[in-house]
Amino acid sequence: KAGVTQTPRYLIKTRGQQVTLSCSPISGHRSVSWYQQTPGQGLQFLFEYFSETQRNKGNFPGRFSGRQFSNSRSEMNVSTLELGDSALYLCASSLNRLSPYNEQFFGPGTRLTVL
Amino acid sequence: EDQVTQSPEALRLQEGESSSLNCSYTVSGLRGLFWYRQDPGKGPEFLFTLYSAGEEKEKERLKATLTKKESFLHITAPKPEDSATYLCAVQAEGNYQLIWGAGTKLIIKP
Repeated sequence: KAGVTQTPRYLIKTRGQQVTLSCSPISGHRSVSWYQQTPGQGLQFLFEYFSETQRNKGNFPGRFSGRQFSNSRSEMNVSTLELGDSALYLCASSLNRLSPYNEQFFGPGTRLTVL
Repeated sequence: EDQVTQSPEALRLQEGESSSLNCSYTVSGLRGLFWYRQDPGKGPEFLFTLYSAGEEKEKERLKATLTKKESFLHITAPKPEDSATYLCAVQAEGNYQLIWGAGTKLIIKP
C-alpha cells in the first residue's frame, strides 16, 4: 500500500514570496496533520484536517494556512515567507482524528529554504 | 504548560553496548505517549504507543516503558542500523495536538 507522499521534496523561495505544499495521505486515511521541523525547535504541530475541516491548530501565525479536499489530499500555504520559515515540513496521515489509538504515518517531508 | 524533554541529546555506543534513552513529560493528563524513529532525510517512523504507567512494549532490540513522569526506550545489543534520531511525543487529555521532544540522536559504531 502506498505511503504518504509530499510534493515537492525541495523548494527554494525568497523572502516575501508565498509557497504551497501538497500532501497525499494513505488511501482511506481521513486525517492529515502538518508539522514544522527545525534543528532548534524540533517538531512543532501546525494543524490537523479531518473531513475537510481544520480541527486543531498549533501556535503559528496566520501566514500559515491549509485546506483539505474531499479526497483527503491536503495543501499547506505559507504567505509572506520569512527566513525563519526555512524548515522541513512534514505531513502525517491517520485513519481517524489524532489519538493514541490511531497511528500516524509520516511522509518524507518538503525541505523549504527561504533566502 | 505541557512539555516533553528528551535526554541525552546525543548518544554514541559501540555495537552491542546496551543503553537507555529518556523522555520526561509534564502534562495535565496523559492520553498516550509515542516513540518514533527518524532517519536522515525521512519522516518519523512509528515505534510504540504507551497508554498508562507500568506499561511496557517490545520490538526487536527495543523496549519502551512508562511511569507517571517519564518513559524509557531501552536498546539491547544495538546494531549500526539502529542509528537514528529517536523522538518522543505525548498527547494530553482534552487536546488532540501532539507535543514533541527534541529527540535523541543515537549513533552505533561497528
